[in-house]
Amino acid sequence: QITLKESGPTLVKPSQTLTLTCTFSGFSLSSDDVGVAWIRQSPGKAPEWLAMATWSDRMHSGPSLRSRLAVTKDTSKNQVVLTMTDMGPADTATYFCVHVDMRGDYREHYVSDSWGQGTLVTVS
Amino acid sequence: DIQMNQSPSSLSASVGDRVTISCRASQGIEKSVAWFQQKAGKAPRLLLYAASRLETGVSSRFSGSGSGTDFTLFISRLQPEDSATYYCQHYYGHAPYTFGQGTKLDI
Repeated sequence: QITLKESGPTLVKPSQTLTLTCTFSGFSLSSDDVGVAWIRQSPGKAPEWLAMATWSDRMHSGPSLRSRLAVTKDTSKNQVVLTMTDMGPADTATYFCVHVDMRGDYREHYVSDSWGQGTLVTVS
Repeated sequence: DIQMNQSPSSLSASVGDRVTISCRASQGIEKSVAWFQQKAGKAPRLLLYAASRLETGVSSRFSGSGSGTDFTLFISRLQPEDSATYYCQHYYGHAPYTFGQGTKLDI
């Protein structure tokens, strides 16, 4: 059974750096067909993909937030850490860590199939 | 970034009805689409991936179709527990793997 749980501060001040930890079980991040993604959701809005860690050291993230994001992993502890710098009020959201299963003959389907409960981070 | 334009934004239906929710990608994305259901205060739940493949444990009342830029989620024989917000998401090519704006379904 796959489980994931987010931990970290619930309140950060503007311009501070947010550090969140995802602790997971039921799979290994050393496999080349899984990832752990960070997805956030502001109140009343759609989810927003932030970044994903995989077995390689490459961080899969979009260009708009890449300069503020870092994702590191500790495979032995089954943890993935998200760091986001220069936090502002627009970053107030529930932050989820998510198991991504790469399915298909060519691992072309990145399926977000298991989600943590999420942690609400308020910037104020 | 690839944008996902989802419609309608809200929908009201009755028990037993069949509804459709659409998602249009800003460029061709083959079949790299997933659909999620989200209830208030909960994490999204995966329903389908690869546009039409049902996730294990999900009711067969949910189905999907599409390829390229246009995708559809179908929900048949609506039940009260289907009241939720539904999102599409693409995972084609490079991140970010964006979500649609969501469809709030009231039964």
